[in-house]
Amino acid sequence: SYELTQPPSVSVSPGQTARITCSGDALPKQYAYWYQQKPGQAPVLVIYKDSERPSGIPERFSGSSSGTTVTLTISGVQAEDEADYYCQSADSSGTYPLYVFGTGTKVTVL
Amino acid sequence: QLQLQESGPGLVKPSETLSLTCTVSGGSISSSSYYWGWIRQPPGKGLEWIGSIYYSGSTYYNPSLKSRVTISVDTSKNQFSLKLSSVTAADTAVYYCARQALPIVVGWSWFDPWGQGTLVTVSS
Repeated sequence: SYELTQPPSVSVSPGQTARITCSGDALPKQYAYWYQQKPGQAPVLVIYKDSERPSGIPERFSGSSSGTTVTLTISGVQAEDEADYYCQSADSSGTYPLYVFGTGTKVTVL
Repeated sequence: QLQLQESGPGLVKPSETLSLTCTVSGGSISSSSYYWGWIRQPPGKGLEWIGSIYYSGSTYYNPSLKSRVTISVDTSKNQFSLKLSSVTAADTAVYYCARQALPIVVGWSWFDPWGQGTLVTVSS
């Protein structure tokens, strides 16, 4: 089955830059999407189509892609950015697409 | 502003069928621009896509759950529903419904917004 691999945790000081990677074999052919999930809350889309930012999402959130790895970057991290982050993509090799989420990364603001 | 709300029993016995409904407000489930999906998250774990439905009734499911899952839509009530049969403790999770962007290219799709989620516990 298709897997998207993320580092379990990332720690960053306020004002610094956090980078979260997501690796998967199909990423060169499929877009990636990123979600932020705070404790007890539903996920919120923060990046779509690798690097597009939905309305209402702060500019400090950005995304990029290179080969089999996509990266979510949070510039000038704020305390409110402490959360779990999940990437999502799709495996389109079968009859129907299989939507897959990454393993998740917990971002801790020191 | 589009909102989604899950509803259904919070406790289901092993071997029985889990049934949940998602009510959509602030927009029409019959929009041609979206699918509607179910995603779950076991306590302390990651997200798993369960399946999705179009307003016409067209569905596709995660192969790992396909034999036990049925998703249906009721456009008159602006709702879509999930049934998961033969549940076990491994099906204990927070279940989310979400709007899913219509993929222009196969796989080019994302989930936004999400409902608040509902915890379903499988236990006797």
